[in-house]
Amino acid sequence: QVQLQQWGAGVVKPSETLSLICGVYGGSFSDYYWSWIRQSPGKGLEWIGEVHHSGSTKYNPSFKSRVTISADTSKSQFSLKVNSATAADTAIYYCARGRPASGTVAPFHSWGQGSLVIVSS
Amino acid sequence: DIQMTQSPSSLSASVGDRVTITCRASQGISNYLAWYQQKPGTVPKLLIYGASTLQSGVPSRFSGGGFGTDFTLTISSLQPEDVATYYCQEYISAPWTFGRGTRVDI
Repeated sequence: QVQLQQWGAGVVKPSETLSLICGVYGGSFSDYYWSWIRQSPGKGLEWIGEVHHSGSTKYNPSFKSRVTISADTSKSQFSLKVNSATAADTAIYYCARGRPASGTVAPFHSWGQGSLVIVSS
Repeated sequence: DIQMTQSPSSLSASVGDRVTITCRASQGISNYLAWYQQKPGTVPKLLIYGASTLQSGVPSRFSGGGFGTDFTLTISSLQPEDVATYYCQEYISAPWTFGRGTRVDI
């Protein structure tokens, strides 16, 4: 059973970059796409984007211009960067196992523990 | 983007009651519909996928149904441990989208 553990800065200053990393344990990193999702009182659950072990990405157009998701296959980790953070980016951020690497569709079976990120000076 | 609309936004019921939550998609999604349960302070947990397939370990009092645009999540006999917020999610096409949630209290 795959387990995801995430970490990163809990407080980010406005206009700076929000950064999080998620480690994948107990499963094959190459078998799935890996996603970031966030949850806020104002917007609810929002899918941010996904990455394939090859580095291929897909982003939610709502975030595309500010977000970078990348994969480090050697460490079975993937990361999220959100540029030019604002108070609206304050949320709980989750990493999650997405669809199989073959490209078929699937829900989010496994989630990280969540990281509260506050954007404030 | 596909919009997912849940109703009601919250409900209160008694232990043993049958509870039904609905989720409507803004366009047809076949059966690519999942339900998640999120208890206070915890991570969303996958309950049902494929509109009606229970994830391993989920009690049989939970059931899902529907196809196309209209879906339901039913708890046949509400238990105290079912207090949570329930979310639907479509996974037919990116960007994958979620409903705003239904809070279930006792």
